[in-house]
Amino acid sequence: QKEVEQDPGPLSVPEGAIVSLNCTYSNSAFQYFMWYRQYSRKGPELLMYTYSSGNKEDGRFTAQVDKSSKYISLFIRDSQPSDSATYLCAVQGGKLIFGQGTELSVKP
Amino acid sequence: GAVVSQHPSRVICKSGTSVKIECRSLDFQATTMFWYRQFPKQSLMLMATSNEGSKATYEQGVEKDKFLINHASLTLSTLTVTSAHPEDSSFYICSARDPGKPGELFFGEGSRLTVL
Repeated sequence: QKEVEQDPGPLSVPEGAIVSLNCTYSNSAFQYFMWYRQYSRKGPELLMYTYSSGNKEDGRFTAQVDKSSKYISLFIRDSQPSDSATYLCAVQGGKLIFGQGTELSVKP
Repeated sequence: GAVVSQHPSRVICKSGTSVKIECRSLDFQATTMFWYRQFPKQSLMLMATSNEGSKATYEQGVEKDKFLINHASLTLSTLTVTSAHPEDSSFYICSARDPGKPGELFFGEGSRLTVL
């Protein structure tokens, strides 16, 4: 079993849609949970991070963590074509472990 | 915000040669830096953890003698791919942790290595 599982997609949505990206993890010892955005041929960019169960909101982005079910989510409201990228979840216990990444395409 | 700079962004080399990639933290001192490798449409795989002033810690399956890591200062870590082969062609990304921002990891822009 992989330590972090993420549906690789690809996911295609129309502009303005709400996007839901999800990951599950296996080790309850993980303490920090992150979402990164990666544009093609670029390094990942940190979008959000949290260390507790619950929701964290930043503009159109909401990160959600449910430690009891080992489930993390990223919601994007009013999605824009510029949101088209690969989104990677990551968990951190000692080292950072990434999910496979979900490729998102927002069509105008 | 914190910035991590990586150089070169692209490099093409002949099989058998060595290539050095630099990773610099510009706004903070990084006692620990990380090196990742990413194949097309795949996730980042941690190769090694680079510790300033001491030997790097390599992940299982990563050849220490092939991927030499040096972390000589608090702002610079280098990855040298020795005797490169075409299968070493990949996207190499470094990252650094800002001690003032626990839990956050900042990434460089990545270096695309092509071995002919």
